[in-house]
Amino acid sequence: GNSVTQMEGPVTLSEEAFLTINCTYTATGYPSLFWYVQYPGEGLQLLLKATKADDKGSNKGFEATYRKETTSFHLEKGSVQVSDSAVYFCALSDPPETSGSRLTFGEGTQLTVNP
Amino acid sequence: DTGVSQDPRHKITKRGQNVTFRCDPISEHNRLYWYRQTLGQGPEFLTYFQNEAQLEKSRLLSDRFSAERPKGSFSTLEIQRTEQGDSAMYLCASSRAGGVYGYTFGSGTRLTVV
Repeated sequence: GNSVTQMEGPVTLSEEAFLTINCTYTATGYPSLFWYVQYPGEGLQLLLKATKADDKGSNKGFEATYRKETTSFHLEKGSVQVSDSAVYFCALSDPPETSGSRLTFGEGTQLTVNP
Repeated sequence: DTGVSQDPRHKITKRGQNVTFRCDPISEHNRLYWYRQTLGQGPEFLTYFQNEAQLEKSRLLSDRFSAERPKGSFSTLEIQRTEQGDSAMYLCASSRAGGVYGYTFGSGTRLTVV
């Protein structure tokens, strides 16, 4: 079955530091890949997505590239801010032509950015 | 587009009681999903609807759990005879068919069973 593995947290950085959160996946076919962010007490917000190999998703300074050869979708940001402190989830969904398109999530990585 | 709404935000119940949660999806989204998230974990799929039809249920969804989506609009998730292990955040999400565009999640209902 599908699975997603994220680097273990928590991650603590100083403001303006470079961020990488690793994500690797196991899936059949060609899933779509997502990063979601969750702020305390809230639901999940879509941060970025990629639907095919070599696609780069980007949003709010965050980027991730769909690497089929390494089955990875690592999240990066060049300069983090205190407001980026949250839990980040990597996820995949079945290809759109299959039924359901349920999301399979990683365990989440807690990011804390200190001023 | 007012987003996905969930009600209530928080629910505290005694073990053995029944609880019901409601989700109002984005109106033009025909798919609706329920997920459960326990502390420190990623969300786990429970069930999904396409319009009013419940098309898939996870093995996590025991007989005490039931979900409905009458008329393909809002959805309810009921838990009967709650147990302490049911304490979690219950998340609802909606999407257009295929989910390629990513889901829109609600803020969740946090259930505490005491």
